[in-house]
Amino acid sequence: AQSVTQPDIHITVSEGASLELRCNYSYGATPYLFWYVQSPGQGLQLLLKYFSGDTLVQGIKGFEAEFKRSQSSFNLRKPSVHWSDAAEYFCAVGGYSGAGSYQLTFGKGTKLSVIP
Amino acid sequence: DTGVSQDPRHKITKRGQNVTFRCDPISEHNRLYWYRQTLGQGPEFLTYFQNEAQLEKSRLLSDRFSAERPKGSFSTLEIQRTEQGDSAMYLCASSHRTDEETQYFGPGTRLLVL
Repeated sequence: AQSVTQPDIHITVSEGASLELRCNYSYGATPYLFWYVQSPGQGLQLLLKYFSGDTLVQGIKGFEAEFKRSQSSFNLRKPSVHWSDAAEYFCAVGGYSGAGSYQLTFGKGTKLSVIP
Repeated sequence: DTGVSQDPRHKITKRGQNVTFRCDPISEHNRLYWYRQTLGQGPEFLTYFQNEAQLEKSRLLSDRFSAERPKGSFSTLEIQRTEQGDSAMYLCASSHRTDEETQYFGPGTRLLVL
């Protein structure tokens, strides 16, 4: 069964500082990997995704993520955080079961706080 | 593209009542998913449709829950005899046949059962 671990429940960074949110996944084959962001009381917005190819993927809002197969990781980064980035971030892994159905499994999320 | 829309955005009900939520996917998206998200957790898969066919249901989807997508367009999720444990955010997502792995989410329906 596929799973996602986001080790950090809550991270606080200063505005302008760099950010890295950690994500480790478990999946038997090549995974589909995603990062979503959720503002309070809102749905999830797709930041970026990785399916294959270049292991460094660029997303919206200046975010990027790097796929490292050897570490089963897909960490999200941003060089300079803005106050508007304060939100909850979810890593997700997608995969097909033996029966051919596709499922997206989420981590528990990392809440990002930004201090001025 | 208009995004995924959900109605209502908020619902307060008393224990034992039935509630129904609606989801309108992005136009021409053939797959539609329902998730439940409780406080402090990531979304958990409930069920999904490919066109009008319901292809998979999670064990989380008890017999009090039913979902339909009658014409392969919008979908409804009904909870009968609601319990306090049903209080959660119910999220809908959709994906297109050319990129079925990427799901786009709606704003969710926040349910509070008193």
